[in-house]
Amino acid sequence: GENVEQHPSTLSVQEGDSAVIKCTYSDSASNYFPWYKQELGKRPQLIIDIRSNVGEKKDQRIAVTLNKTAKHFSLHITETQPEDSAVYFCAASITGNQFYFGTGTSLTVIP
Amino acid sequence: EAGVTQSPTHLIKTRGQQATLRCSPISGHTSVYWYQQALGLGLQFLLWYDEGEERNRGNFPPRFSGRQFPNYSSELNVNALELEDSALYLCASSLGTGRLSGNTIYFGEGSWLTVV
Repeated sequence: GENVEQHPSTLSVQEGDSAVIKCTYSDSASNYFPWYKQELGKRPQLIIDIRSNVGEKKDQRIAVTLNKTAKHFSLHITETQPEDSAVYFCAASITGNQFYFGTGTSLTVIP
Repeated sequence: EAGVTQSPTHLIKTRGQQATLRCSPISGHTSVYWYQQALGLGLQFLLWYDEGEERNRGNFPPRFSGRQFPNYSSELNVNALELEDSALYLCASSLGTGRLSGNTIYFGEGSWLTVV
């Protein structure tokens, strides 16, 4: 099955700086890559996703890039704010099949 | 449109007892996933059901089991509870196998299981 690795496991940034979280996947057939944000005590919520026919997608301060050749994708958060502090999970899936999650990144934005 | 709903929100059980957790997927979703999240840790895959069948299970002992009903709701059963089973159990749903697009996975709020 698919194997998704996520780095770093913890990340601290100053408010206003950028944060980058990276994931790699093993199955070249994977074609859908969502990112989830989980605040303390809450459920994971989808924040952005990208499909394999697109190299980059942006939504305000959040962007995701995908390199199919290298089999890695990254989450970029610009102008970080304290409310961005949370655990972020990446995932990979082949459409219609099981989702495989990374181990999570705990992001702390220091005011 | 209602999201994924789970019950109960909190459950306290004694070691050796059985726990049953329930999940209703988003309307139209046929796939249901169960994940265990121990405090401060990642999402550990438990079970995946689609169209009433178990499609895959994670690396958990057989005392973790479940089923999916004809209305696509699902139940997770944990027998012979152990202290380390204390965790947040998350259910998620998606459109399921055979769908070519829009296959995003959505999570419920979870059920907190405490074993004492």
